[in-house]
Amino acid sequence: DTGVSQNPRHKITKRGQNVTFRCDPISEHNRLYWYRQTLGQGPEFLTYFQNEAQLEKSRLLSDRFSAERPKGSFSTLEIQRTEQGDSAMYLCASSFPTGGYTFGSGTRLTVV
Amino acid sequence: SQELEQSPQSLIVQEGKNLTINCTSSKTLYGLYWYKQKYGEGLIFLMMLQKGGEEKSHEKITAKLDEKKQQSSLHITASQPSHAGIYLCGADMRYGSSNTGKLIFGQGTTLQVKP
Repeated sequence: DTGVSQNPRHKITKRGQNVTFRCDPISEHNRLYWYRQTLGQGPEFLTYFQNEAQLEKSRLLSDRFSAERPKGSFSTLEIQRTEQGDSAMYLCASSFPTGGYTFGSGTRLTVV
Repeated sequence: SQELEQSPQSLIVQEGKNLTINCTSSKTLYGLYWYKQKYGEGLIFLMMLQKGGEEKSHEKITAKLDEKKQQSSLHITASQPSHAGIYLCGADMRYGSSNTGKLIFGQGTTLQVKP
């Protein structure tokens, strides 16, 4: 296991289209997190899972955003009807409940 | 809610110079992480501090958490071009009144090192 893997690395989409990102965490980690980062800012928390249960969602996660973690392994983040304001880096991290957060390389989304 | 403020927001130093980045919290820090990020890439873990007064070093980078656990500093000695990037501090929210399992981040400090 080489770390947290995110796909795709880059995504360019037209406004109004739906996009889905995937995150494969470190296999021993039962917690998985999604963050969004815009230029010049630190990552902002979106949501996290413990195993397959989604335990917390940020107010940033509008109705157009949905995250799943079936079977407590990989996770997907879907954005419906994308808007230009959704353009950002989407980061995934995983950890044990006791901490030790490891981040993936991120998916850069550009909405044109 | 807890907030983190980093200073300075950006920094340009000559190669070989020392520098310090500060991270100040509005509330007590129960766990403070430092990460480095290259533009357009993910976060690379540097260090984690938990105890007041704790200090950790790795190569030329030293991080400290003050006794009151509301401020951390990251010090780089004899900076090199490889140190350039964005430095982020993150507060572990697993403890304290929120008791929720996530990190919240400062806005980041962009470091440029001129050869």
